[in-house]
Amino acid sequence: EVQLVESGGGLVQPGRSMKLSCAASGFTFSNYGMAWVRQAPKKGLEWVAYISYDGGSTYYRDPVKGRFTISRDNAKSTLYLQMDSLRSEDTATYYCTTAYYWGQGVMVTVSS
Amino acid sequence: DVVLTQTPVSLLISLGGQASISCRSSQSLVHSNGNTYLHWYLQKPGQSPQLLIYQVSNRFSGIPDRFSGSGSGTDFTLKISRVEPEDLGVYYCLQRTHNPWTFGGGTKLELK
Repeated sequence: EVQLVESGGGLVQPGRSMKLSCAASGFTFSNYGMAWVRQAPKKGLEWVAYISYDGGSTYYRDPVKGRFTISRDNAKSTLYLQMDSLRSEDTATYYCTTAYYWGQGVMVTVSS
Repeated sequence: DVVLTQTPVSLLISLGGQASISCRSSQSLVHSNGNTYLHWYLQKPGQSPQLLIYQVSNRFSGIPDRFSGSGSGTDFTLKISRVEPEDLGVYYCLQRTHNPWTFGGGTKLELK
């Protein structure tokens, strides 16, 4: 059974950092590109970042470029999202996804 | 960025009825490899999105044949026949032919 389990969310002050993790199991993680998608409260889905299967290519939506870093450890079947200089508008539930399978999501709240 | 325009924003359907959702793209979603990476998801209340249809018309594992996808190029449609209570929620289209991935704004399916 495919599982994607996010962790690392919570409450953080504006300007601070947070790192999300996504532990994958049930499929060959190293064969798939992965993405982070977020959903602000009561809003729609918004793609945040993508990383290729080998980590060689990464893409970011414009508002997070230079602040967020997506990475992966294929040996540990784990995806990461390092979020720096967090802003209130980054408040959302963050999902990791292969586009076919999704995690349950982790809430990130940026507030003083 | 590719803009996906999803209509209608909301749908009121009777149990057993049929629903149709449109997703129109601002540019062709045919990839250089010939595939069209247009997917459909359902997000039930309090849950993460679940894949219904991938690459325009392919039902994902475990998805009943009441769900069907069609279209090409820039115009795509999701049809749900014989609507059941578990079909209620918000439907999204996603394109990942072009970076960045983009989602439609969502269509909320409710019971009449």
